Amino acid sequence: QKEVEQNSGPLSVPEGAIASLNCTYSDRGSQSFFWYRQYSGKSPELIMFIYSNGDKEDGRFTAQLNKASQYVSLLIRDSQPSDSATYLCAVKKRRDQFYFGTGTSLTVIP
Amino acid sequence: DVKVTQSSRYLVKRTGEKVFLECVQDMDHENMFWYRQDPGLGLRLIYFSYDVKMKEKGDIPEGYSVSREKKERFSLILESASTNQTSMYLCASDRRGSYGYTFGSGTRLTVV
Repeated sequence: QKEVEQNSGPLSVPEGAIASLNCTYSDRGSQSFFWYRQYSGKSPELIMFIYSNGDKEDGRFTAQLNKASQYVSLLIRDSQPSDSATYLCAVKKRRDQFYFGTGTSLTVIP
Repeated sequence: DVKVTQSSRYLVKRTGEKVFLECVQDMDHENMFWYRQDPGLGLRLIYFSYDVKMKEKGDIPEGYSVSREKKERFSLILESASTNQTSMYLCASDRRGSYGYTFGSGTRLTVV
């Protein structure tokens, strides 16, 4: 069983819509969860992280965590073409190691 | 404003060559990591280090070694390059306690 699973997509949404990206993890003891964005040919960059159950908002981005269901999601409101990228979910394990999902490809259509 | 620097953006090496990939960070981070990224497989951890002269194996260390003689520098060594080591290699650093990695720009290595 993979540590972190994501639907690879591709996910397409029209400009201005809400994009919803989902991630599940296998280790119930995981504490910290991170979302990275990776543009084609570039390295991943951190968008946001979440530690506690519930929602965390940062601008147009909202991370949601449900530890009981072992589920993390990222919502992107008012999606823009510049949001087109691959989004990586990551789970922090022991001693600051991260396990990454394989990523969901998002395309925002103008 | 570059924080994690990888020495080469693209490299082409021959099978059997010894290959050195260098990574330098200027953020005084304790933790440094080497990943490779392949389509469909995502990011896989090769080696990591929590301090100078410390190193630990990740999930796929076979065929690789590392060196960390100074806090800011973490080198990945391919002892005898093989074609299945053709990949994108990403270095990352983080401070202890982990607030999210900062990645370098990556090295795309092709072994022919």
